[in-house]
Amino acid sequence: KNEVEQSPQNLTAQEGEFITINCSYSVGISALHWLQQHPGGGIVSLFMLSSGKKKHGRLIATINIQEKHSSLHITASHPRDSAVYICAPPEGSGGSNYKLTFGKGTLLTVNP
Amino acid sequence: NAGVTQTPKFQVLKTGQSMTLQCAQDMNHEYMSWYRQDPGMGLRLIHYSVGAGITDQGEVPNGYNVSRSTTEDFPLRLLSAAPSQTSVYFCASSYLRQGAWGNTEAFFGQGTRLTVV
Repeated sequence: KNEVEQSPQNLTAQEGEFITINCSYSVGISALHWLQQHPGGGIVSLFMLSSGKKKHGRLIATINIQEKHSSLHITASHPRDSAVYICAPPEGSGGSNYKLTFGKGTLLTVNP
Repeated sequence: NAGVTQTPKFQVLKTGQSMTLQCAQDMNHEYMSWYRQDPGMGLRLIHYSVGAGITDQGEVPNGYNVSRSTTEDFPLRLLSAAPSQTSVYFCASSYLRQGAWGNTEAFFGQGTRLTVV
């Protein structure tokens, strides 16, 4: 099973700050998801990346496959970014690589 | 295009009752899965399916049954509800492509908050 470690578990920031959330995993994989969950809400896929960097608005995700590490960055954070961010690599790189495993999430609170 | 639809959104059951959580997707995805989310824990896989007629157990399958008679629907059945099954349940779907898994975006339903008393 792919063991997933996210840090920090909780993060409080002031509006406008630059945010970084880290994710490390134990089994080499070919791609990884970052998910967002607002309190009491559903889960939305933010990024799916297999190498390098992807950018979507103020969100940037990077991955280093060799080091088994990914980061999610939020530039110019805003209170509406307050949510739980979840790192989700697949279980492995073999035939069952469609099955996701999940970190416990990082609860981000952005204060105005 | 509705994506992944889960019903109901909320449910309260008494211990021993049975019920079915519905999940439907309209994207012709082969892979569908059910997760439960509990405080302090990551999402955990209950059951999954890689196509109509094919299902398999995940990490925490006990007390749950699934079937996949069509590509669109993947219901989750609680046979005899227990307080330990109080949780938030999510259904998800994606295409199933061997090899370059990175191309398969996952879509999640809005969740079902289940309380067993």
